[in-house]
Amino acid sequence: KAGVTQTPRYLIKTRGQQVTLSCSPISGHRSVSWYQQTPGQGLQFLFEYFSETQRNKGNFPGRFSGRQFSNSRSEMNVSTLELGDSALYLCASRSGTMGSPLHFGNGTRLTVT
Amino acid sequence: GQQLNQSPQSMFIQEGEDVSMNCTSSSIFNTWLWYKQDPGEGPVLLIALYKAGELTSNGRLTAQFGITRKDSFLNISASIPSDVGIYFCAGPYSGGGADGLTFGKGTHLIIQP
Repeated sequence: KAGVTQTPRYLIKTRGQQVTLSCSPISGHRSVSWYQQTPGQGLQFLFEYFSETQRNKGNFPGRFSGRQFSNSRSEMNVSTLELGDSALYLCASRSGTMGSPLHFGNGTRLTVT
Repeated sequence: GQQLNQSPQSMFIQEGEDVSMNCTSSSIFNTWLWYKQDPGEGPVLLIALYKAGELTSNGRLTAQFGITRKDSFLNISASIPSDVGIYFCAGPYSGGGADGLTFGKGTHLIIQP
């Protein structure tokens, strides 16, 4: 069974641009969450989607948005990039059954110059 | 918001030694999770704890859910080179929902030859 797949693996963008990251969950998983990982702040929760609906949101500005498609694939978008947005963005999926564990992808490394 | 204080920040140990790390919270948690992250990969769930006082093992790893529900401990016995990595504790994000997690800043485990 394929794991959580994130594309691209690495991305370099310029300040002010926007970026879209993609996540394909494990087959059959309906819940997808996104996290930002930086050396200073660690792993921080961005948002969670279940059946195409945002179910929970972390404390990030509106420049960070996401969506989920009917096949459970998810994208996150960051607009008007800032230098501080440089981070590893991790996607995680779970089946949605109570207590089922989160399975993380290997992330997209975003560098903003 | 919620904060998870994880200690120690780093550990330098010899192969074969036992390891102990802990995590404390400013809030009561109903679930404690321990993850490990290897370089270039996403976090992988090691142990999940769902009940105060619970002691759970996974091979050489043992984790405990503190009685106060504000702390948890992870022990690794007889460390081996593949134990190197970053260990994170995590608990449910305070914003509610089923899948958001709050993570500690991590304990870097380094094994000296």
